[in-house]
Amino acid sequence: QKEVEQDPGPLSVPEGAIVSLNCTYSNSAFQYFMWYRQYSRKGPELLMYTYSSGNKEDGRFTAQVDKSSKYISLFIRDSQPSDSATYLCAAYTGGGNKLTFGTGTQLKVEL
Amino acid sequence: GAVVSQHPSRVICKSGTSVKIECRSLDFQATTMFWYRQFPKQSLMLMATSNEGSKATYEQGVEKDKFLINHASLTLSTLTVTSAHPEDSSFYICSAKQGSGTGELFFGEGSRLTVL
Repeated sequence: QKEVEQDPGPLSVPEGAIVSLNCTYSNSAFQYFMWYRQYSRKGPELLMYTYSSGNKEDGRFTAQVDKSSKYISLFIRDSQPSDSATYLCAAYTGGGNKLTFGTGTQLKVEL
Repeated sequence: GAVVSQHPSRVICKSGTSVKIECRSLDFQATTMFWYRQFPKQSLMLMATSNEGSKATYEQGVEKDKFLINHASLTLSTLTVTSAHPEDSSFYICSAKQGSGTGELFFGEGSRLTVL
């Protein structure tokens, strides 16, 4: 079993839709959770960074962590074509910052 | 935000040759850098953790004699793929940690290696 599981998609939505991206994890020691966006042939860029359980909002993006169910979510409101990318969830325990990534979900927002 | 530069962004080489990829933190000092490998439509797999002034720590299954990592300064880490073979063709991405403890990680743009 992978430590971080993510549906690879692809996920296709119309412009303006609310997008929900999800991951599950198995390692109870994970304390820090991140979402990265990766455009084709580019390195990942950090979108959201959450410590422990709870919600965090930044503009159109909301990250949610439920440690009791080991579930991580990213919501994108009013999705735009420029949001089309692969979204990777990641987690780590802290200290050495050794990230464990999900496989990434490919998102396409269509006009 | 902080910038991590990777060079070259794309390299094609013949089988049996060695290729060096550089990772630089441009506006901060990075005591720790990480090297990842990403196959098409797959996630990033950590290859090794590079600490300035000491030997790199390799993940299980990664050949340290094949993937040489040097972290000679606080702003530069290099990955050398020695005697490259077609199966080494991949997207290699570095990341650098700003600060200590739970400092934020910044990723380079990646280097696509194609071995003919």
